[in-house]
Amino acid sequence: GAVVSQHPSWVICKSGTSVKIECRSLDFQATTMFWYRQFPKQSLMLMATSNEGSKATYEQGVEKDKFLINHASLTLSTLTVTSAHPEDSSFYICSAISGSSYNEQFFGPGTRLTVL
Amino acid sequence: GNSVTQMEGPVTLSEEAFLTINCTYTATGYPSLFWYVQYPGEGLQLLLKATKADDKGSNKGFEATYRKETTSFHLEKGSVQVSDSAVYFCALSPSNAGKSTFGDGTTLTVKP
Repeated sequence: GAVVSQHPSWVICKSGTSVKIECRSLDFQATTMFWYRQFPKQSLMLMATSNEGSKATYEQGVEKDKFLINHASLTLSTLTVTSAHPEDSSFYICSAISGSSYNEQFFGPGTRLTVL
Repeated sequence: GNSVTQMEGPVTLSEEAFLTINCTYTATGYPSLFWYVQYPGEGLQLLLKATKADDKGSNKGFEATYRKETTSFHLEKGSVQVSDSAVYFCALSPSNAGKSTFGDGTTLTVKP
């Protein structure tokens, strides 16, 4: 089946530093990838939609300069949290859509970010 | 716009009890419907799906039927196990491959 990986699975950083999270589709080409944020005991909040070779589409209220998304290839999208602060601590999950299963999302295992 | 409404939790059941988690949706066109499960500290895993009306998705003893007339996709399992304890999300994906819409999630706890 379609597998999506995320790296790192968890990260702890100091306030003011930037953190990059990678999302990879391991056995398929992902035309579209999504980035979600999940707070404890809450549902997923869509942050942005990432299409290969074009600029990401951000949801309302999500700061583009804060959360930089790069979808450089059909198997890799990255989310960079710039100048992280404690309020950015959260569980970040990516998902990907393949060309053959266009409306089914395959989710990564998530990345736990803790900003001290 | 599209929306998904799930039964509020938390739901607590004894082992071998019958489970129903209600899910209703609002959408234009003919969306696909999904149930995802999230175990503590992990990402989402697809549990089952249905892509058209009257389809029944099933997996690991869980079932859900796509009911267009009632715009519902209720999740059921005849006999739950402790290992089924998790958060369950109902979701829809529009037919035009647009972004998915998720319910708020329902936390299930199964006690031995």
